[in-house]
Amino acid sequence: GQQVMQIPQYQHVQEGEDFTTYCNSSTTLSNIQWYKQRPGGHPVFLIQLVKSGEVKKQKRLTFQFGEAKKNSSLHITATQTTDVGTYFCASGPRGGNTGKLIFGQGTTLQVKP
Amino acid sequence: DTAVSQTPKYLVTQMGNDKSIKCEQNLGHDTMYWYKQDSKKFLKIMFSYNNKELIINETVPNRFSPKSPDKAHLNLHINSLELGDSAVYFCASSVPQGGRETQYFGPGTRLLVL
Repeated sequence: GQQVMQIPQYQHVQEGEDFTTYCNSSTTLSNIQWYKQRPGGHPVFLIQLVKSGEVKKQKRLTFQFGEAKKNSSLHITATQTTDVGTYFCASGPRGGNTGKLIFGQGTTLQVKP
Repeated sequence: DTAVSQTPKYLVTQMGNDKSIKCEQNLGHDTMYWYKQDSKKFLKIMFSYNNKELIINETVPNRFSPKSPDKAHLNLHINSLELGDSAVYFCASSVPQGGRETQYFGPGTRLLVL
């Protein structure tokens, strides 16, 4: 079945440093979604990418969808302590209509002030 | 005005007990889900209902039985609780978007089985 691999599992950075998490699939994805889960919280939708090579920005966050639609990345510029949490990528199956999402394993970001 | 709510927030119980978790959404969404998040934060879908009809049933022990009395509610009943059932259970909802549904998660129910 479809799998979405996410790396790294953990990342510790100093405040002000950049951070990137990567999401890879062996199959072509119809879309990629990104969620953020704060410690003790629940996943919150950040963004969805659907087009090959698509790049979207949200303030210090940059999201990319690969040309082959098999990988994606989330890059945070100049991290802040408010960026702490676990970032998940997720994708629905091609042609699917059940709403089922396959989640990556998540990357937990720690930011040292 | 909470969008997706779950009760209880915390649940501590003994092995072998039966327990239920309730979920309600006021977003008007047709589809609701149950996810299990283990201690390593891995999120896995368990069930999905669309307008009270079961549409996704992953490989979950039949001790877990979802019930949707109406499209705004999705409850999860667990029989004969086991230690391995300890996890955070998230309810979520979405609108149909042809495989591009975004999920709105509830606050989670932290279940600890002793």
